[in-house]
Amino acid sequence: RKEVEQDPGPFNVPEGATVAFNCTYSNSASQSFFWYRQDCRKEPKLLMSVYSSGNEDGRFTAQLNRASQYISLLIRDSKLSDSATYLCVVNKGSSGSARQLTFGSGTQLTVLP
Amino acid sequence: GAGVSQSPSNKVTEKGKDVELRCDPISGHTALYWYRQSLGQGLEFLIYFQGNSAPDKSGLPSDRFSAERTGGSVSTLTIQRTQQEDSAVYLCASSHPSRRQGVGAYEQYFGPGTRLTVT
Repeated sequence: RKEVEQDPGPFNVPEGATVAFNCTYSNSASQSFFWYRQDCRKEPKLLMSVYSSGNEDGRFTAQLNRASQYISLLIRDSKLSDSATYLCVVNKGSSGSARQLTFGSGTQLTVLP
Repeated sequence: GAGVSQSPSNKVTEKGKDVELRCDPISGHTALYWYRQSLGQGLEFLIYFQGNSAPDKSGLPSDRFSAERTGGSVSTLTIQRTQQEDSAVYLCASSHPSRRQGVGAYEQYFGPGTRLTVT
């Protein structure tokens, strides 16, 4: 089983739609969770950290379910500029490698006009 | 402020040659990571430096790969006797541990990468 699993997509949605991505992780000791976005041929950029209580940043909402070991990202009122690959990122647990992050392979989103 | 910088942005080399890739982390960031990303693939962890501690080299794919971090700042990733399968984008990231306490990990900020092509 992969450490971090995501549906690769692609998700093709019209402008203004709401879209949700899920991600599952295998290490129950993981403590830190993030969503990054990566544009084509660019470096990953931090979108948001994911906190236990869930958190929102404008049109983006992240949720964490520790019991089921999954993370979600909801994008409301999607814009053309949201088109990118979204990477689910989890740290390697509470051992000596806790500072390391494992990146999912990403979910590709295309927002259509 | 200045982000993570990497050089060169592109490198084309012949099979069997050695290459050096450079990373300048964000000032004050004590943690530095190297990853590589092959076309259409996810990020593959290579090596991690944290302050003056011994680096975590567990991700280096072979003994042809090595990395140094001088003075706790700039890092160089060296690939000896390059092979065609080494072709990838090599990404460097840094993080600032004081942003979060505890046993978790911190947000990492990436440089633009070095696109390595081995012919």
